[in-house]
Amino acid sequence: AQSVTQPDIHITVSEGASLELRCNYSYGATPYLFWYVQSPGQGLQLLLKYFSGDTLVQGIKGFEAEFKRSQSSFNLRKPSVHWSDAAEYFCAVGPIVYNTDKLIFGTGTRLQVFP
Amino acid sequence: DGGITQSPKYLFRKEGQNVTLSCEQNLNHDAMYWYRQDPGQGLRLIYYSQIVNDFQKGDIAEGYSVSREKKESFPLTVTSAQKNPTAFYLCASSAGQGVETQYFGPGTRLLVL
Repeated sequence: AQSVTQPDIHITVSEGASLELRCNYSYGATPYLFWYVQSPGQGLQLLLKYFSGDTLVQGIKGFEAEFKRSQSSFNLRKPSVHWSDAAEYFCAVGPIVYNTDKLIFGTGTRLQVFP
Repeated sequence: DGGITQSPKYLFRKEGQNVTLSCEQNLNHDAMYWYRQDPGQGLRLIYYSQIVNDFQKGDIAEGYSVSREKKESFPLTVTSAQKNPTAFYLCASSAGQGVETQYFGPGTRLLVL
């Protein structure tokens, strides 16, 4: 069955520290992978996506993610976290129905940043 | 500016009452989606529509209904049959051609009085 797992419910880091948010997936074919960010009470904003090609993907706000097929992972990284990065982060995989854009989302990781 | 609008931002429902959440997009997208978000449960798909006048149930469709009479609009009705409607509701759209990005609206928070 297709699924997405974000093992860390809550992560706390100090401002300026590096960050890695984990995402593991189960998918029968080559997946299309997404990371979204959500500020409190807001909608989701796309950070980056992987469709094919280079397995290291650059996104907005200084984020990057690496697709590792052998580990079924798509971890999100940032070398130096800013206080404004505090938010909830969602990993998603698709398409889960052929010829659609339908996605399945992980349960999210809440990031807290200390000054 | 192109985007997705949801209204209202907050909505209150009385017991036994149906309420309708609005979602409009001007991105010329074919596909639209409704998600429910509860703390610790991520996003769960309620309904989605690939094209006008067609829609499919998602994982948690019971107690909800939708219509897709226009390409730009995909309203969601929370019926009295939905016993636990308090949640944050997100609407999204995508081009619908397969593996296109979903773009999200700002959400509506529904509270039960």
